[in-house]
Amino acid sequence: GESVGLHLPTLSVQEGDNSIINCAYSNSASDYFIWYKQESGKGPQFIIDIRSNMDKRQGQRVTVLLNKTVKHLSLQIAATQPGDSAVYFCAENRSGTGGFKTIFGAGTRLFVKA
Amino acid sequence: EAQVTQNPRYLITVTGKKLTVTCSQNMNHEYMSWYRQDPGLGLRQIYYSMNVEVTDKGDVPEGYKVSRKEKRNFPLILESPSPNQTSLYFCASSFGPPESSYEQYFGPGTRLTVT
Repeated sequence: GESVGLHLPTLSVQEGDNSIINCAYSNSASDYFIWYKQESGKGPQFIIDIRSNMDKRQGQRVTVLLNKTVKHLSLQIAATQPGDSAVYFCAENRSGTGGFKTIFGAGTRLFVKA
Repeated sequence: EAQVTQNPRYLITVTGKKLTVTCSQNMNHEYMSWYRQDPGLGLRQIYYSMNVEVTDKGDVPEGYKVSRKEKRNFPLILESPSPNQTSLYFCASSFGPPESSYEQYFGPGTRLTVT
């Protein structure tokens, strides 16, 4: 299988519980943040995004919270399901000369226990 | 089906032998990027392109080249691969800059081993 995330932080939750995955970002100039989900053997998949002028954004079973004061981002997954087991990455976007740069965090592996 | 395709999916090569990993998207996206993924380091951006003939370096461009001659294709070229370029590579595309809330669509990945 893939060797992605051998040294990743891990979070283990019971099916049906809520999950909270945290991320710290580095650049106060970043103005757009995204959470991605990566299942084994696949590329990252977009979950939800948030702009820096927002504190909270909700999607289907997911909520992203942004605290610009401490440069912290979190992803909350409600009623976690076995299909949510994956590696989750936060990413920040910064404008560059040719378009954009995307900086990914190291990721967190989520295990969902049935 | 809307998708990003990469070829090859797996490649084992030797040091110094030039190779190209192709990336193609069928969504008429303007923005395309290449990333490498290594254990414990997450994804790091190699190069990106905002449109045809417009490319710029990401965080780890050394040892790589790209070209954007057509909107749909964004090949990654390793002129003289070295073992430290052994990695999992992803191509991604989006309609516009992600700061405009255009999500990036990722390809399935290319596992490259350089011996």
